[in-house]
Amino acid sequence: NAGVTQTPKFQVLKTGQSMTLQCAQDMNHNSMYWYRQDPGMGLRLIYYSASEGTTDKGEVPNGYNVSRLNKREFSLRLESAAPSQTSVYFCASSEAEGQVDGYTFGSGTRLTVV
Amino acid sequence: QKEVEQDPGPLSVPEGAIVSLNCTYSNSAFQYFMWYRQYSRKGPELLMYTYSSGNKEDGRFTAQVDKSSKYISLFIRDSQPSDSATYLCAMSGWGSQGNLIFGKGTKLSVKP
Repeated sequence: NAGVTQTPKFQVLKTGQSMTLQCAQDMNHNSMYWYRQDPGMGLRLIYYSASEGTTDKGEVPNGYNVSRLNKREFSLRLESAAPSQTSVYFCASSEAEGQVDGYTFGSGTRLTVV
Repeated sequence: QKEVEQDPGPLSVPEGAIVSLNCTYSNSAFQYFMWYRQYSRKGPELLMYTYSSGNKEDGRFTAQVDKSSKYISLFIRDSQPSDSATYLCAMSGWGSQGNLIFGKGTKLSVKP
């Protein structure tokens, strides 16, 4: 099925460990996004990539890095995980920057940092 | 004050009821207003999209935007147990590079 695929679906990390969350879309979308969702906080934008080769910070970028590997793939890296990064992470894509009616979300990665 | 405010609920209604979900916002630059539905352990999916003020209807769902009051609503008629989910409002405006600002979400439960 066409859409946004995130891996892994679940992960438990120890404080200080690093990991990369993977995201791939097969809809030929230009723009991709990483959000985190916390209870009582809603979805917050971490980083986004308007097009291949560009990345920009969102609302909560501290502690994260991203790589737009190619048009299909956008990864999120936690260099030194902290308990405050326990969250559900969602990747999304849209055909173009600013096409707000065309966001497609992945099913999420549930990360626990202990 | 957060840019988008949404009552988190939870909201529980009997099957067949009319449901009203609401969000308020403070940024007058918002022009695009969306409602997303999120089932448990799934990603959000776009339900309704409205540009500027006015109403939009799609089956049992009606979205309303009142820019003068900075207030948006989603109405669900003849609610069904399958409507049980968390409903997120989202907004965007000129120059935001497509970045959506989300409300916290309202958890809805429709009881048979």
